[in-house]
Amino acid sequence: QKEVEQNSGPLSVPEGAIASLNCTYSDRGSQSFFWYRQYSGKSPELIMSIYSNGDKEDGRFTAQLNKASQYVSLLIRDSQPSDSATYLCAVRRDNAGNMLTFGGGTRLMVKP
Amino acid sequence: GAGVSQSPSNKVTEKGKDVELRCDPISGHTALYWYRQSLGQGLEFLIYFQGNSAPDKSGLPSDRFSAERTGGSVSTLTIQRTQQEDSAVYLCASSFNGANVLTFGAGSRLTVL
Repeated sequence: QKEVEQNSGPLSVPEGAIASLNCTYSDRGSQSFFWYRQYSGKSPELIMSIYSNGDKEDGRFTAQLNKASQYVSLLIRDSQPSDSATYLCAVRRDNAGNMLTFGGGTRLMVKP
Repeated sequence: GAGVSQSPSNKVTEKGKDVELRCDPISGHTALYWYRQSLGQGLEFLIYFQGNSAPDKSGLPSDRFSAERTGGSVSTLTIQRTQQEDSAVYLCASSFNGANVLTFGAGSRLTVL
């Protein structure tokens, strides 16, 4: 079992719809959770971080964390074609220094 | 510098040759990370530096891989006797004192023929 699992996709949504990206992790000791966006041929960039159970909203993005279920998700409201990218879930353990463990990423395609 | 700088951006080498990849982190960032990304895959952790020391080398795939960091700044990842399976994009990231936000460089794409 991979430490951080994501559906590779592609996830295809129409412009204006809500895109829902999911991630599960295996280590119950994980404390910090991140979503990175990676455009094709580019390096990852941080879009959201979440540390406690519940929802965290930032503009069109909402991160959701459920530690009991070991599940973290990212919702993108009013999806735009410019949101088309690969979204990487990353997890940090509480005792693993500052190394982030990444999932394989979900490719999102937003169709005009 | 303003961002994380990596060189070379592209490297094509023959199987069996040694390669060196360089990372220049953001000025003042004490933590530096190397990841590897194969085509269509996620990021695979290689090694992490805090200052010049490497508390976590667990991700280095074999003894052909080594990394060093000098002066708490520039880091070099060396791959000896390259193999075709080493072909990937090698990404470097840095953060301020190991804080949560990692800033990535543009990567070095390595192709081993």
